Parts: sequence; structure tokens; C-alpha cells
Amino acid sequence: AAGVIQSPRHLIKEKRETATLKCYPIPRHDTVYWYQQGPGQDPQFLISFYEKMQSDKGSIPDRFSAQQFSDYHSELNMSSLELGDSALYFCASSLKSFHSTYEQYFGPGTRLTVT
Amino acid sequence: QKEVEQNSGPLSVPEGAIASLNCTYSDRGSQSFFWYRQYSGKSPELIMFIYSNGDKEDGRFTAQLNKASQYVSLLIRDSQPSDSATYLCAVGDFQKLVFGTGTRLLVSP
Repeated sequence: AAGVIQSPRHLIKEKRETATLKCYPIPRHDTVYWYQQGPGQDPQFLISFYEKMQSDKGSIPDRFSAQQFSDYHSELNMSSLELGDSALYFCASSLKSFHSTYEQYFGPGTRLTVT
Repeated sequence: QKEVEQNSGPLSVPEGAIASLNCTYSDRGSQSFFWYRQYSGKSPELIMFIYSNGDKEDGRFTAQLNKASQYVSLLIRDSQPSDSATYLCAVGDFQKLVFGTGTRLLVSP
């Protein structure tokens, strides 16, 4: 079965640079979530989109922004990168419409290293 | 106090034994409960979800939910060395998931 696709898988940036992470949800899924997982930590919710509208917001820095496009893929834009932004960034998707289910399936993640 | 609490472990069990993982949560309004397995450096893999009080079985896995006690557990029967991983309990409110810090499970051959 098709899974969530994330790109790139690895990204190295310098401080104060910008980065764009992409997420392609499971086909027919309408909701996308972004999570950040630091070393030895649990995933922390950043932001979510349902039907291309922001649906919830967590601990996302103001330097970060995200959107969901008409084809349901999502992009997380990160500016003025800091060393502390180094982490695994996961995208997850779910299908909310019709079924009202809440299972979230995670992509393989993007490992961001800020030097 | 963290919203979702788990014992960090490690929980060590011999191959073939039952592994019991526990999780408590603080938000009584929580509606959905999940168990994810995560290998080091990999993404969380959904293995069980439960929405109603009681037990839910899927193969070697059984999830148990007690909303009155704000408690959810995962039983793994016939544990295998390949089950060695970190198990994350996650609690949802129809939107985001709040994760516990995870319990590391070690299954010895």
C-alpha cells in the first residue's frame, strides 16, 4: 500500500538559512500533520491542515510556516534556521472525511541538520 | 507534569513472554488512543488504536482502555526479538496527537 512520502530525506543547512520540507500524504487522505522529534525526545506536534485549511497549531515557531496545496501535498518552510532546529521532521496523514477516523500514518521523516 | 506518561524502561522480557506496556493521560476529554512502535532513527509505525473502553485485539497485540482511570495499555504476546523497539503511547483530541516519551522494550532471545 502507498505510504506517506517525504522529501528530502536528509538536509544539511547552515544557521540563518532557509529550508523547505515536502510531504505527500497517502492517496485520498485529506489531513496532514507535521511533527518535530529531537534526539531522545517524543514527537512534538507543529501544525495540521484539513482540506487545505490550517486546522490546528502546536508549538511551531513563528519562523516556520506551512501550507497544504490543492493536490493535498504539504510544505513546511523554515527560515532563519537555528542549531536547535536540528531534528527529525515527520509528516503524517489521515482520512477525516466520511469515516471520522483519526489514525495518523507517519512518513519516513526528514532529518534536518543545522550547522 | 507531562500530559501522557509512560515508564521509559527499558522493559526486558525473554522471547515468548508477554510484554505489558502502560500509559496514563491527564486530559479527560481525550477521544482516541494509539500505540506506535519506533525503531531508532525511523518513523513511528501505528500498531494499535482504540477509541472505546475495553479490550481490542489484533494478532499478538491487545490494547486496553479505561477512560475512568485515564489508563491505556498494550500487551504483546509471544514477544519476539524483532519487537525490541520504543513504544510510544499517543492520545488524540480529533486533531493533534500528544505523545508520551515512550517505553523501550528489549526482548532477549
